[in-house]
Amino acid sequence: GENVEQHPSTLSVQEGDSAVIKCTYSDSASNYFPWYKQELGKGPQLIIDIRSNVGEKKDQRIAVTLNKTAKHFSLHITETQPEDSAVYFCAASSTYSSASKIIFGSGTRLSIRP
Amino acid sequence: NAGVTQTPKFQVLKTGQSMTLQCAQDMNHEYMSWYRQDPGMGLRLIHYSVGAGITDQGEVPNGYNVSRSTTEDFPLRLLSAAPSQTSVYFCASREPGQLSGEAFFGQGTRLTVV
Repeated sequence: GENVEQHPSTLSVQEGDSAVIKCTYSDSASNYFPWYKQELGKGPQLIIDIRSNVGEKKDQRIAVTLNKTAKHFSLHITETQPEDSAVYFCAASSTYSSASKIIFGSGTRLSIRP
Repeated sequence: NAGVTQTPKFQVLKTGQSMTLQCAQDMNHEYMSWYRQDPGMGLRLIHYSVGAGITDQGEVPNGYNVSRSTTEDFPLRLLSAAPSQTSVYFCASREPGQLSGEAFFGQGTRLTVV
């Protein structure tokens, strides 16, 4: 089955600097890669996603890149702000089957230093 | 529009007790799932359902039962609680198959088994 590995598990960056979180996946049938942000005491919320027909997607300060050959995808946050402090999860899924599961990475706790 | 609603938010059980975690969604999503979240292990899939009357096992199904009698509801049952089931539980729903995209999560149920 699908396995998603996520690094690093914790990340601390200075406010205004960039943060990068990396994930790898094992199932070549995966074609949908969402990223979720989880704030304390809340459920995860989607912040950006990418499908396998594109290599990069950007939404304001957040971007995601996908390398299908290497089975890598990454989240890039630029100009980090205190409200970016949270736990971030990558995930992988195949949309070819109605029974496809979303498999999550183990999470990255991002802390923004003032 | 409530999205995904989980009840209760907090629960303490004694070893051997049974209980049902409730999950309801009002988005008419066919696909619903239950995850447990443990420190350092991300979100692990317990059970999922692609529609009313259809359920299947995820990564960590042992000790849990589910049923799906309606599109809206997907309860998770613990038949005989064990301390290893102490965790935060999240229910999620989304569109299945080719239309699948964002998974919407509930706020979580924090369960402690003593």
